[in-house]
Amino acid sequence: NAGVTQTPKFRILKIGQSMTLQCAQDMNHNYMYWYRQDPGMGLKLIYYSVGAGITDKGEVPNGYNVSRSTTEDFPLRLELAAPSQTSVYFCASTPGHTNEKLFFGSGTQLSVL
Amino acid sequence: GQNIDQPTEMTATEGAIVQINCTYQTSGFNGLFWYQQHAGEAPTFLSYNVLDGLEEKGRFSSFLSRSKGYSYLLLKELQMKDSASYLCARPDSWGKLQFGAGTQVVVTP
Repeated sequence: NAGVTQTPKFRILKIGQSMTLQCAQDMNHNYMYWYRQDPGMGLKLIYYSVGAGITDKGEVPNGYNVSRSTTEDFPLRLELAAPSQTSVYFCASTPGHTNEKLFFGSGTQLSVL
Repeated sequence: GQNIDQPTEMTATEGAIVQINCTYQTSGFNGLFWYQQHAGEAPTFLSYNVLDGLEEKGRFSSFLSRSKGYSYLLLKELQMKDSASYLCARPDSWGKLQFGAGTQVVVTP
């Protein structure tokens, strides 16, 4: 059982470049999330989705976009990458919300130089 | 935000006990989570408390006081592999999980 799969694991971008971080889950979870984690900090919510076709902003959405065309996939798009977006990105999913534990992907280490 | 506060770092000796405190805003409370995160890895679920009291799971226990907006994670019989960051988190009123900055626990021989 794969769980939550994130790709790529590492990426270096130049300022102004764009890229998409991929996230897929095979557990038929309705809720999916994108978090970023800066060194020595907790996780901050970027975007989340409660089901296919539904997305909403989290705490730090600026500079990012998401889509949720299927239950399984929840890609995160970075447009015009900036050094401030250097971080570790985690995708996560839950069956429902509130009292459900998060299932995390292994993370993407992104550096913008 | 949810004003989730926890200490930045704690150091303890192998075999000892460490208690990691977490305080949070009490409004709209929907339960409290603890996650463990080893360096370079994703967080993994440790516990979820929604009622007052202590819940024990082997060497790890979690306590909650809803009226005080307070929780702690107790790690007993510390092992070197327990060196990690411990994240306190609570759902906001919309169910989205908000995390504290994490407490780095360093276990020394």
